Amino acid sequence: DAKTTQPPSMDCAEGRAANLPCNHSTISGNEYVYWYRQIHSQGPQYIIHGLKNNETNEMASLIITEDRKSSTLILPHATLRDTAVYYCIVRLSFFGNEKLTFGTGTRLTIIP
Amino acid sequence: DSGVTQTPKHLITATGQRVTLRCSPRSGDLSVYWYQQSLDQGLQFLIQYYNGEERAKGNILERFSAQQFPDLHSELNLSSLELGDSALYFCASSVGGAQGNTIYFGEGSWLTVV
Repeated sequence: DAKTTQPPSMDCAEGRAANLPCNHSTISGNEYVYWYRQIHSQGPQYIIHGLKNNETNEMASLIITEDRKSSTLILPHATLRDTAVYYCIVRLSFFGNEKLTFGTGTRLTIIP
Repeated sequence: DSGVTQTPKHLITATGQRVTLRCSPRSGDLSVYWYQQSLDQGLQFLIQYYNGEERAKGNILERFSAQQFPDLHSELNLSSLELGDSALYFCASSVGGAQGNTIYFGEGSWLTVV
């Protein structure tokens, strides 16, 4: 699986959009980009994933650049409950390699 | 609620002892994964089972073992426990076997070895 690079920490004001960047310059054509978050030692929570196109769900939007070398997770209206560590993971899922490999993530703090 | 159930939530035991952590996957999921999270190591993949068979192995110590039963629940057995085994142990599940399938995590079992 390709490696990802994320800033170690970010702050965002409550009510504003939180934009979390992720660099994955060595991503291959079949690798998906996944985002998870972990709120204070709870189980990692799935947020969203995508391959090439931008994706949106009830939690967030995922913007993937055309060359797929980077992506941005957008939380449109951040609340205090969004304070967490956010993990960007590039994953190629095939027999014997379906696991997620977590890096160190970005610690997002929402400021009141 | 992810649908993945782990028991016990908290466990305190002494060095040298053996414990078993239990996991019930989401309904319909065939794959079960075990992860360890300690303060200085982050989330580390231990092992994966698919429909009762071991499918992938990560950084799992020889003192640790796992299995998945016919009803698809899984157990992680930790023996000869050491202080350094104190950690959060997460179970996760997915449909398995397909590109892009999502993995869902349980809330974890806190293990403290004293």
